[in-house]
Formats: sequence, C-alpha cells, structure tokens
Amino acid sequence: GAGVSQSPRYKVAKRGQDVALRCDPISGHVSLFWYQQALGQGPEFLTYFQNEAQLDKSGLPSDRFFAERPEGSVSTLKIQRTQQEDSAVYLCASSATSGAGDEQFFGPGTRLTVL
Amino acid sequence: RKEVEQDPGPFNVPEGATVAFNCTYSNSASQSFFWYRQDCRKEPKLLMSVYSSGNEDGRFTAQLNRASQYISLLIRDSKLSDSATYLCVVYSGGGADGLTFGKGTHLIIQP
Repeated sequence: GAGVSQSPRYKVAKRGQDVALRCDPISGHVSLFWYQQALGQGPEFLTYFQNEAQLDKSGLPSDRFFAERPEGSVSTLKIQRTQQEDSAVYLCASSATSGAGDEQFFGPGTRLTVL
Repeated sequence: RKEVEQDPGPFNVPEGATVAFNCTYSNSASQSFFWYRQDCRKEPKLLMSVYSSGNEDGRFTAQLNRASQYISLLIRDSKLSDSATYLCVVYSGGGADGLTFGKGTHLIIQP
C-alpha cells in the first residue's frame, strides 16, 4: 500500500475485554514501532520489531500488553483485560532501515476507549 | 527515559508573521534530531530533520545548538495551513527506546 494502515480506527471496549489492534506497515519496511499517545502528550514508545524479531519491548506498560509480527510484515498489538487507563491512541510506525534514527512513517492510529 | 521539553503553547500568531519555538533535550550524547508535524486527530509526519549546520526547507528553518542542548524551528511568512502541533523528536541511540518525542508545541495561525 501507499502508507501505513491501521485497523480498527476506533475501538470501544468494556473494562476487562481483550482487544487486538492491527498494523500494516509500508511494504518492505524493516522496522516497526508501536506507540501510545494520550491526549495532549507526545507518542510514548511501546515496542519495536526488526523484521519478525521483537528487539525491544521495554515500553510495554504491563504484561497485559503483547505484540507480535510473525512474518515480518503485519503486526498486532493485543491488550488483555483492558483498563480505563489504557484509553489512548495507539500509533504504529514503520521505517525502511533498522533502528530508530531515521524517518518513521506513521499510520492513522487506533483510538481506544475503555469504558 | 531521556527528557525532551517543549513549550506546549498555544502560540497564536497572525498570518504572515514569523514564529519560532525551541525544544530542549537533556542527553548531551543525543545523535539525531527531528521536527514532526501532527495535525489534530492525525498521525505525526516528518517535517524536517535537524542537521548540525542547520537546514532550511522553504519557509522552515531548523537549527541545532549542541552547547545549550536545544533545537529550534522557525517558520517565516506563516500560513493558515501551518496550524498544527509540532513535535520535537530526539534520538539518543541505544535502541528503539532511545527515540523520545516531546509533548509538542501547539501553533495556531490566525487570519
């Protein structure tokens, strides 16, 4: 595709529900990042993949958060037993090179609201 | 996490004016610097990278001051379409978590 796509664009979940957020990066991009952006804040790093390998997950806030990229392209961020504090926009970004020092291309984000 | 600080604004500026804002960073070993633009309810998009010698792209000029540990963005002849949040991004190496986004500066260009 022409850019990074994410689905769903909006998700409303009841507290305690599990959710899965999908990211389709730009074809051929090596690096994939997940960020969490709260209202009025900048994006906060969650996790990083280089191809299918999850090289950094230090930003995941709890063990309820899990991400995968099994074939080195599409990635899924899963949140188990959602809590109200999980409400945020979840941004996915991809980059043509490895590492975080080059331009990242962001998807439109998934706005998660936990009731 | 390395700290990146920005004045959140909002900066209310009349159309055609020149506006500048800074971003300070705490890690003196930071390697790469960027300005991203984020429109309301949209994703961030790279505006420009910031080079040590400073760089210009049309009406936009970015500068890096390593001694004082800040980067700046100057917008000349501002347009209504420049209204957005400008995110300062600093990469300090050491892996993906070495990339830190500021909270952004909200700019409003008024007709």
